[in-house]
Amino acid sequence: DAGVTQSPTHLIKTRGQQVTLRCSPKSGHDTVSWYQQALGQGPQFIFQYYEEEERQRGNFPDRFSGHQFPNYSSELNVNALLLGDSALYLCASSFGLAGGRFNEQFFGPGTRLTVL
Amino acid sequence: AQKITQTQPGMFVQEKEAVTLDCTYDTSDPSYGLFWYKQPSSGEMIFLIYQGSYDQQNATEGRYSLNFQKARKSANLVISASQLGDSAMYFCAMRPFMNRDDKIIFGKGTRLHILP
Repeated sequence: DAGVTQSPTHLIKTRGQQVTLRCSPKSGHDTVSWYQQALGQGPQFIFQYYEEEERQRGNFPDRFSGHQFPNYSSELNVNALLLGDSALYLCASSFGLAGGRFNEQFFGPGTRLTVL
Repeated sequence: AQKITQTQPGMFVQEKEAVTLDCTYDTSDPSYGLFWYKQPSSGEMIFLIYQGSYDQQNATEGRYSLNFQKARKSANLVISASQLGDSAMYFCAMRPFMNRDDKIIFGKGTRLHILP
């Protein structure tokens, strides 16, 4: 049973460029959440996709956008990269929307983005 | 404001000893979930244990137990009989349930070093 996979593993970009990160959820999962983890910090919630729609969003600018495909995989796009966008980007998958209940999110290994 | 505080940036513990990682939280929501995750150097966040705010008993999962003190808003992780493989970053996290919000709020983490 494959877990959450992310690609690429590492990425180096320059300021102003655009980047696309990819995530495939764990088998049987239909919900994907994205987190940004800066060096020395805990992950911060970017947004969540369910049924191909953005359901919730954290405090991130519109430069951060995403997409979910019919097979539940997801992309995170970041435009006009800034030095401060350098971070580990984590994808997490789950089944359905948690609402007011426990719903474990399974995390992938992350994509480490470096912006020069 | 909803916040997780982990006051121990790093800890060194002798192998086979028990270790307690501190976590306090702040939320005005009456219903919430508390989590602990382990993040090894590979980057993947590994779910360890969950405690619901209305759970009467403290959660336990193998060598992990959560010392939940609701009135003090603390949710400390206890690892019994530590092993070298326990060396990693540990994150305390919370998900408030009131708004049926799926996002998880993480603390800044504690780096645990197990000494042989």
